[in-house]
Amino acid sequence: SQTIHQWPATLVQPVGSPLSLECTVEGTSNPNLYWYRQAAGRGLQLLFYSVGIGQISSEVPQNLSASRPQDRQFILSSKKLLLSDSGFYLCAWSAGTYSYNSPLHFGNGTRLTVT
Amino acid sequence: DAKTTQPPSMDCAEGRAANLPCNHSTISGNEYVYWYRQIHSQGPQYIIHGLKNNETNEMASLIITEDRKSSTLILPHATLRDTAVYYCIVGYNDMRFGAGTRLTVKP
Repeated sequence: SQTIHQWPATLVQPVGSPLSLECTVEGTSNPNLYWYRQAAGRGLQLLFYSVGIGQISSEVPQNLSASRPQDRQFILSSKKLLLSDSGFYLCAWSAGTYSYNSPLHFGNGTRLTVT
Repeated sequence: DAKTTQPPSMDCAEGRAANLPCNHSTISGNEYVYWYRQIHSQGPQYIIHGLKNNETNEMASLIITEDRKSSTLILPHATLRDTAVYYCIVGYNDMRFGAGTRLTVKP
């Protein structure tokens, strides 16, 4: 069966520090991968999605970036965190081949607090 | 921007059916309609999806209008544990969530 791993579960970082969140998927090949962010009391905002290695579509570039160095690995990064980057970060995957008929499966999320 | 609109909140009595509407008037081609729910502090949970026919699983039923411009998620016998934010989304690879509907099931 497929599983998605996302870590860390919680993170407290000072303003201006770098960020690296990692997400890996097991049990499937060539998945679509997603990063979402949810600010406190708000809905989910799509940040990046990827349909293959090295293919990243950016929805909210700002000071965040994403990379997909391996088929089942998706990394969210920032060189300098802002206070507004605080939030709940969620990684998700869906089956790539028939993505229009495949639901999203979410990880447990990372709760980031920028101080 | 999300391609769907939903009422911001709804209440439902425990044991009664909860009917959550969603408008997706710009849905196109082979885009499916997906429903998820999110309980506080957790990642969204997949509920059901469909293309044009009505669908039912162990959690809920999905009714899609013939013109596919709107749909309704039905929780047949709502319980207190169904209190959550419910999201309806349509799309291909770019799966964007709207604000969702906050459903409160009351005793």
